[in-house]
Amino acid sequence: SAVISQKPSRDICQRGTSLTIQCQVDSQVTMMFWYRQQPGQSLTLIATANQGSEATYESGFVIDKFPISRPNLTFSTLTVSNMSPEDSSIYLCSGGGGADTQYFGPGTRLTVL
Amino acid sequence: KQEVTQIPAALSVPEGENLVLNCSFTDSAIYNLQWFRQDPGKGLTSLLLIQSSQREQTSGRLNASLDKSSGRSTLYIAASQPGDSATYLCAVNTGNQFYFGTGTSLTVIP
Repeated sequence: SAVISQKPSRDICQRGTSLTIQCQVDSQVTMMFWYRQQPGQSLTLIATANQGSEATYESGFVIDKFPISRPNLTFSTLTVSNMSPEDSSIYLCSGGGGADTQYFGPGTRLTVL
Repeated sequence: KQEVTQIPAALSVPEGENLVLNCSFTDSAIYNLQWFRQDPGKGLTSLLLIQSSQREQTSGRLNASLDKSSGRSTLYIAASQPGDSATYLCAVNTGNQFYFGTGTSLTVIP
């Protein structure tokens, strides 16, 4: 199994600012993903973080708003840029997938004022 | 596009009861299906992973089944306990994309 940690666990930010969320996996994983979970909703995939290349974004999500880095097989960051109150959500990273179990981090609870 | 539905949306049962949670998906071309539990304000904890070639998986009091042709999976929880109270999510893996259901919120009453 893989253990995934995220930093920060929560933050309160002002409108117009940016926040970078870090995701660390304790073992190498082929795939890493970033999800958003809005209040009372299920998970929505933002993007697949690709090691050494640009992330693959899902419909409705763009790199300018959610830049993602993945410099190696155990680490990734998601930045939420130019935040508005509508960005208030839980942001979750996961690792694994394919034929393997997908493991999730504890999430980052973001509130934008 | 794959759509994943979970029924019921909420369930409340007395402690000790056996229960079944349902997950249905529209496209049977899946790689695997995974059941998760999510406690309030927390991340997701993996419970069971069923590969597309498998029919069921068991872990302790949990048993998950998969009928790929009919687009259905069930999660059976035996002898429910108050600690089982959480939201249960199923996720379908199509190979390059994960689709999550909307979840079943379970409350086990002591």
